[in-house]
Amino acid sequence: AQRVTQPEKLLSVFKGAPVELKCNYSYSGSPELFWYVQYSRQRLQLLLRHISRESIKGFTADLNKGETSFHLKKPFAQEEDSAMYYCALRLSGGSYIPTFGRGTSLIVHP
Amino acid sequence: DAGVIQSPRHEVTEMGQEVTLRCKPISGHDYLFWYRQTMMRGLELLIYFNNNVPIDDSGMPEDRFSAKMPNASFSTLKIQPSEPRDSAVYFCASSFRGTFGYTFGSGTRLTVV
Repeated sequence: AQRVTQPEKLLSVFKGAPVELKCNYSYSGSPELFWYVQYSRQRLQLLLRHISRESIKGFTADLNKGETSFHLKKPFAQEEDSAMYYCALRLSGGSYIPTFGRGTSLIVHP
Repeated sequence: DAGVIQSPRHEVTEMGQEVTLRCKPISGHDYLFWYRQTMMRGLELLIYFNNNVPIDDSGMPEDRFSAKMPNASFSTLKIQPSEPRDSAVYFCASSFRGTFGYTFGSGTRLTVV
């Protein structure tokens, strides 16, 4: 079965510092990876998808099949980036239902 | 479209009481999901429906939990009897197969005292 691991429950940085939220997955096929963000007391929102290869709010994520990782990065963190971040995996061409990691809480200090 | 609508936003109840959470998915979406979010376990999938039919309820923690989807525009998650460890934020989400238009509701924050 597929699995998504976010090893850090909490990540605390200062404004302007680089940020990397880690996500590792276990699946032998071709997965689709996503990052969701949840700002304080708001609904979860899709942040980005690996197939889009886009940068959203300064965040990027590269799928590394060799390391089975999909880390979320931003070169300069902003206070408004403080939120809960969830990595999710969906099997390409398989089960439609995504598997979510447990989430990482990012706190950006002024 | 108003998105996925959940009610109530907050619910405080006493242990042993029945709790009913409600969800209205986005019109046209054929999948509906119920999730529970806690600090300890993160986001857990409880159950999901496809075309109003429950497909997988293996995430439902106990028989105290039940979910129904009587029509395409409404679903309920019921806890009877409720316990303090059920305190969490419960999210509903809907989507349309073939895309990842996975839209979450604002959640219901449940507190069982």
